[in-house]
Amino acid sequence: DIQMTQSPSSLSASVGDRVTITCRASQGISNYLAWFQQKPGKAPKSLIYAASSLQSGVPSKFSGSGSGTDFTLTISSLQPEDFATYYCQQYNSYPPAFGPGTKVDIK
Amino acid sequence: QVQLVQSGAEVKKPGASVKVSCKASGYTFTSYGISWVRQAPGQGLEWMGWISAYNGNTNYAQKLQGRVTMTTDTSTSTAYMELRSLRSDDTAVYYCARDTSGEGIDYWGQGTLVTVSS
Repeated sequence: DIQMTQSPSSLSASVGDRVTITCRASQGISNYLAWFQQKPGKAPKSLIYAASSLQSGVPSKFSGSGSGTDFTLTISSLQPEDFATYYCQQYNSYPPAFGPGTKVDIK
Repeated sequence: QVQLVQSGAEVKKPGASVKVSCKASGYTFTSYGISWVRQAPGQGLEWMGWISAYNGNTNYAQKLQGRVTMTTDTSTSTAYMELRSLRSDDTAVYYCARDTSGEGIDYWGQGTLVTVSS
């Protein structure tokens, strides 16, 4: 099975900051990587698929990059509504594992 | 607009079974798969399995094999997830999600809390 790791596990940032989260797969997954945002008590929201393609309706302040084993999610200018936990997920092969999550909170 | 509406919260005793429904609307149900994902209290997301709404093919997480069954009813555009022999560590919020091949998960249901307690 492919294992997913994320770093950092948590970070504190200020409104307006540029934030980057890293996701690593234990073996190559091409670009079959998705990112999700989850706020407390809410269902996850899909942000990015195929490593760098924005889901419909997702603002362009979110961007993704990477291929193979190393991927990043970047939020260009953090806003109050962006404070949440972010998960990556590989869907190259079964089982499509999630990363452990990165919690972004207010500094 | 695409919507996935799940059934309400459940409280079950250890050893019982639970069946969660997920009613889809706003798209052609048989053109996509449905994934089920759960989240234990304070924990991350755990993939449980996937079902094709087109032909009923399934793929389950190894740790749940033998206890989980995913089905669909194309006449009502509804997906179901049944989990048997419930244990306390099955207490979680269960989500269904629309799964597009090549584009992964795009839409999520609102979640169903299943509590397993004696």
